[in-house]
Amino acid sequence: GAGVSQSPSNKVTEKGKDVELRCDPISGHTALYWYRQSLGQGLEFLIYFQGNSAPDKSGLPSDRFSAERTGGSVSTLTIQRTQQEDSAVYLCASSPHRGPLHFGNGTRLTVT
Amino acid sequence: AQSVTQPDIHITVSEGASLELRCNYSYGATPYLFWYVQSPGQGLQLLLKYFSGDTLVQGIKGFEAEFKRSQSSFNLRKPSVHWSDAAEYFCALRGSNALNFGKGTSLLVTP
Repeated sequence: GAGVSQSPSNKVTEKGKDVELRCDPISGHTALYWYRQSLGQGLEFLIYFQGNSAPDKSGLPSDRFSAERTGGSVSTLTIQRTQQEDSAVYLCASSPHRGPLHFGNGTRLTVT
Repeated sequence: AQSVTQPDIHITVSEGASLELRCNYSYGATPYLFWYVQSPGQGLQLLLKYFSGDTLVQGIKGFEAEFKRSQSSFNLRKPSVHWSDAAEYFCALRGSNALNFGKGTSLLVTP
């Protein structure tokens, strides 16, 4: 069975550009999460989708960040007008309802 | 408020020695607790989880953890560490929604 798939694995972008990061969760998992991991830091929660409920966006650091989940499956995290402090590894995870999270390998974003 | 604290940023142990990584949590109800491991350049892998029942939980790779409500702790242990255990270890708590992670403990294994 396939795990959580994230693309691209690496992304280099210029400051001010918009980027889109994609996550394909494990089939059948109702919950999907985005986290950010900066060098030497822990995992910072960004956003959480559960089924058809309104997403928990409480972790998004600014209004430049947004995410959507289409059809209860694939999710896209969009960062507008990227800044250098956005450079990090963006991790996606999925889970059955209240089950353990299964993580993808992440997208390493570098803003130059 | 819910939070997870991993008091040790770095730990160094000799190969073959025993290991204990500390995790303390703050949560008003019965927590769901997890330990994850992240090897260099790799994604996070679930080691074990505690939902309810037996407070001593067995995981993969020979790891175990003990839930102690009175101490608000969920420490990870391994009787004999292998060089391949060198990695970053994260304790996590599921509260109302997403998983809240501690800042991690980096484990170095010396020969």
